[in-house]
Amino acid sequence: AQKITQTQPGMFVQEKEAVTLDCTYDTSDQSYGLFWYKQPSSGEMIFLIYQGSYDEQNATEGRYSLNFQKARKSANLVISASQLGDSAMYFCAMSRHMRGSYDKVIFGPGTSLSVIP
Amino acid sequence: NAGVMQNPRHLVRRRGQEARLRCSPMKGHSHVYWYRQLPEEGLKFMVYLQKENIIDESGMPKERFSAEFPKEGPSILRIQQVVRGDSAAYFCASSPQKNTEAFFGQGTRLTVV
Repeated sequence: AQKITQTQPGMFVQEKEAVTLDCTYDTSDQSYGLFWYKQPSSGEMIFLIYQGSYDEQNATEGRYSLNFQKARKSANLVISASQLGDSAMYFCAMSRHMRGSYDKVIFGPGTSLSVIP
Repeated sequence: NAGVMQNPRHLVRRRGQEARLRCSPMKGHSHVYWYRQLPEEGLKFMVYLQKENIIDESGMPKERFSAEFPKEGPSILRIQQVVRGDSAAYFCASSPQKNTEAFFGQGTRLTVV
């Protein structure tokens, strides 16, 4: 069975500093996708970044990068130059197939990030 | 191009009443997914639908819950005889095809009193 673990229920970071949010996963599938979503206090789910299990390079999207270590089954999110607007819940998620198969996306419990001015 | 629209944003129901949650996917999207988020938890998959078909309902509770996505109109998630444990945020996502990025709506927050 697939499982996502986020061990940090809450994190604090100083504005303009970088922060790493941890995510480990468990799957027996060879082909899978990893996602990070942001959920601000307003409640909507915002897609941030995607990494395919066969992608050789770590994904990057602006200030977001995904530190993918396949052997360790970890997919940590790195946010550089934190901004006050980054304060939100962050969810790591996994899908069974490459690039989607959203019918089987598994979400982690989330990490609450607070950016301190 | 409007995003995924869910309504109502907030819904209050008394125990035993019915709740109907609506989701209009993005234009051109024929795949709809429903997720439930209980307080302090991540999202849990409920059901995956295409127009007029339920593709995967493995995450749906066996009783009281049903979903449809008719040929015309929004997708509906229906909860009959609601109980307090049904209180949650219900998110809908849509995609143009199965194996592409899904876009989430803003969710419907159901409160059962």
